[in-house]
Amino acid sequence: EAQVTQNPRYLITVTGKKLTVTCSQNMNHEYMSWYRQDPGLGLRQIYYSMNVEVTDKGDVPEGYKVSRKEKRNFPLILESPSPNQTSLYFCASSLRTSDEQFFGPGTRLTVL
Amino acid sequence: QQQVKQSPQSLIVQKGGISIINCAYENTAFDYFPWYQQFPGKGPALLIAIRPDVSEKKEGRFTISFNKSAKQFSLHIMDSQPGDSATYFCAASDGWTGTASKLTFGTGTRLQVTL
Repeated sequence: EAQVTQNPRYLITVTGKKLTVTCSQNMNHEYMSWYRQDPGLGLRQIYYSMNVEVTDKGDVPEGYKVSRKEKRNFPLILESPSPNQTSLYFCASSLRTSDEQFFGPGTRLTVL
Repeated sequence: QQQVKQSPQSLIVQKGGISIINCAYENTAFDYFPWYQQFPGKGPALLIAIRPDVSEKKEGRFTISFNKSAKQFSLHIMDSQPGDSATYFCAASDGWTGTASKLTFGTGTRLQVTL
């Protein structure tokens, strides 16, 4: 089954404790992206990757890191989480930006 | 700076009625306009998309109307059903002909279809 998987689905952590949210796709897509969804703000892009070892900042990259060492995986790293990073996070992948983006099920992160 | 403005923020429609959600964009280079549907607890999923070389695209009860000169596009849901209750996001990119790196989303519309 073609899908994007994210782990964990729910995470509660404390300020400053490093965490990683994993994202994996099995569709051989070149383009992957991370979004955060906040009430009234819609989906805002954090980082994206056009291919392996090619990543760039989206609209709200501050406080986040990513890596793309393999085509299928695109982890999101929060080195020192803060309460303003409490949000619902989605990973997505597609062949190109103009193609259908397939979204993962989301990760709800709470930073205390 | 929000490049895609979406309205209304929320919408309540009776079963069988027409739901209309509007979006306006600023970047004239945008050439791909999808709509995504999101049910509670799920990730968004592509509903329907249009390119600016056509003014309308219909898929079942869902229609996108596109006005290039006004830089506006809208989603019409005919014969709205309770199962259509979800959050709808419009989006835009210039990735069809260009090398756009992103899809810019609107802020979303929460649709509730009542019995």
